[in-house]
Amino acid sequence: GAGVSQSPRYKVTKRGQDVALRCDPISGHVSLYWYRQALGQGPEFLTYFNYEAQQDKSGLPNDRFSAERPEGSISTLTIQRTEQRDSAMYRCASSSPSGGARFGDTQYFGPGTRLTVL
Amino acid sequence: GENVEQHPSTLSVQEGDSAVIKCTYSDSASNYFPWYKQELGKRPQLIIDIRSNVGEKKDQRIAVTLNKTAKHFSLHITETQPEDSAVYFCAASKENFNKFYFGSGTKLNVKP
Repeated sequence: GAGVSQSPRYKVTKRGQDVALRCDPISGHVSLYWYRQALGQGPEFLTYFNYEAQQDKSGLPNDRFSAERPEGSISTLTIQRTEQRDSAMYRCASSSPSGGARFGDTQYFGPGTRLTVL
Repeated sequence: GENVEQHPSTLSVQEGDSAVIKCTYSDSASNYFPWYKQELGKRPQLIIDIRSNVGEKKDQRIAVTLNKTAKHFSLHITETQPEDSAVYFCAASKENFNKFYFGSGTKLNVKP
């Protein structure tokens, strides 16, 4: 079936503009995660959802970053008043419960959105 | 919070040799440890994972070992092939919390 998809794949914006990054998880996946990956580094956790509920947003760098998943499927990560230091690859992942777990474990990643802030 | 350290940062081996990548973690409550392979310009792909109730898991040429007491786990690739060349990331999580903490990655280069 279809994997995790993200759009846009590339986003170039000017400093101070707002951006919205979209994630479409694997159909039926309960849990959805946002990560930021700097070049040559591992993904860094930002936030995650179970269904429509945001469970943990401790990784969001500051209050310019927010995320939502209003219907428990597609999610949007919004960055307000972008700054150059926000430039990075933003990755989404989703997972589904297995082995009797209540929520997902193995995470499947999307292709990412490469954000460049000029 | 959890801290995952990974080494080496780069590893170069001859085709057919074995490669070992090691990770340590700090939170003894972590109980799920996946490994991801990321080829240049592509998304991370899960290659193998292990839960804390087992000490070793194998899948063809790939194996992962876990030492809970020492809080470290390792990826072993045998009979390496050029297509194994990629960046490999380890991660740790508390299964019920689902937040993955990733290592900084190992760039594996398999020379033909």
